[in-house]
Amino acid sequence: GAVVSQHPSRVICKSGTSVKIECRSLDFQATTMFWYRQFPKQSLMLMATSNEGSKATYEQGVEKDKFLINHASLTLSTLTVTSAHPEDSSFYICSAREGASSNEQFFGPGTRLTVL
Amino acid sequence: AQSVTQLGSHVSVSEGALVLLRCNYSSSVPPYLFWYVQYPNQGLQLLLKYTTGATLVKGINGFEAEFKKSETSFHLTKPSAHMSDAAEYFCAVSDPLMGGANSKLTFGKGITLSVRP
Repeated sequence: GAVVSQHPSRVICKSGTSVKIECRSLDFQATTMFWYRQFPKQSLMLMATSNEGSKATYEQGVEKDKFLINHASLTLSTLTVTSAHPEDSSFYICSAREGASSNEQFFGPGTRLTVL
Repeated sequence: AQSVTQLGSHVSVSEGALVLLRCNYSSSVPPYLFWYVQYPNQGLQLLLKYTTGATLVKGINGFEAEFKKSETSFHLTKPSAHMSDAAEYFCAVSDPLMGGANSKLTFGKGITLSVRP
């Protein structure tokens, strides 16, 4: 089956530093990847949609300069949280879709970010 | 705009009992519908989905759901709960007319299923 990995699974950083999270599709080419944020006991909130080779499309209210997304290849997308602050602490989940016509997203295991 | 309503935040059942998790949606067109399960500190796993065709959809782990257009519902059921079913369950919709990069999922707020021994 389609497998999506995320790295790291857990990261703790100091306030003001930047953190990069990687999302990889291991056995398929992902034309589109999605980044979600999930607060404890809450649903997933879509942050942005990224297509390989083009700029990400951010959802309303998501700061594009704060959350930098790069989708440089068909198997890798990265989310960089710049100048992280404690309020950025959250569970970040990526998903990937194979092909523009596919209606199914395959989810990564998530990354727990804690900003001290 | 699409929306998903999952009433309640927590359902508790006894092992072996029927599981019923409710999902209602709002959409201007017949949507694609999904149920996902999330175990603690993990990503989401697809249980089942409805796109077209038969309205009763069978998924993994003995779960099934029925798309009822007249009720705008897609409730998830399992005849007999197992301890391993304890998890968070999310219902989601997408607009089949919004293909390509605009095909986004809209999630409900999720519901926690507990299974009592």
